[in-house]
Amino acid sequence: GNSVTQMEGPVTLSEEAFLTINCTYTATGYPSLFWYVQYPGEGLQLLLKATKADDKGSNKGFEATYRKETTSFHLEKGSVQVSDSAVYFCALRKGAGNNRKLIWGLGTSLAVNP
Amino acid sequence: NAGVMQNPRHLVRRRGQEARLRCSPMKGHSHVYWYRQLPEEGLKFMVYLQKENIIDESGMPKERFSAEFPKEGPSILRIQQVVRGDSAAYFCASSPRRTGGAQETQYFGPGTRLLVL
Repeated sequence: GNSVTQMEGPVTLSEEAFLTINCTYTATGYPSLFWYVQYPGEGLQLLLKATKADDKGSNKGFEATYRKETTSFHLEKGSVQVSDSAVYFCALRKGAGNNRKLIWGLGTSLAVNP
Repeated sequence: NAGVMQNPRHLVRRRGQEARLRCSPMKGHSHVYWYRQLPEEGLKFMVYLQKENIIDESGMPKERFSAEFPKEGPSILRIQQVVRGDSAAYFCASSPRRTGGAQETQYFGPGTRLLVL
């Protein structure tokens, strides 16, 4: 079946460090891929997305490239800030029409220290 | 444009009581999704609804859980005879009415955190 695997956290970095959070998926065809962020006590916000192979999603300094050959969608940021401390979720959507549910990774907690 | 609204934000129930969670989608959105986030786990899809129709309920527990999205008013997720294992964060998301497609994005509400004593 369809699934998403994220690297386990927590991840602890110093401010201005480079961030990578790995995400790989299992799905047939061409799913759409998403990164959502959840700040403490809040709901989920869409961070970025990519809908076809080789697409790069980017937002707020974060980037992720849809790699079909490695079935991956790793999240990267060149220089993290304390305000980036949150839980990051990778997700896929397999289809459209009546099959629109998002399938989620377990989330990766990021703590950035000043 | 107001975002997805959920209420209550926090709900405490005793075992055996009923819990009703409400979700008002973003203006112009006619698709609603419910997800559950259990402690120390990721989110799991529960149900996908359009106005007056349940489209996909493959993630709903077979008993005690029901959902509706009436023509007027918010979507309701109802849990009857709650048990401690129902304690979780319940998130609602909405998306615009479209024929489907890769560009569709689901926008999430702040969630309702249910605690069953």
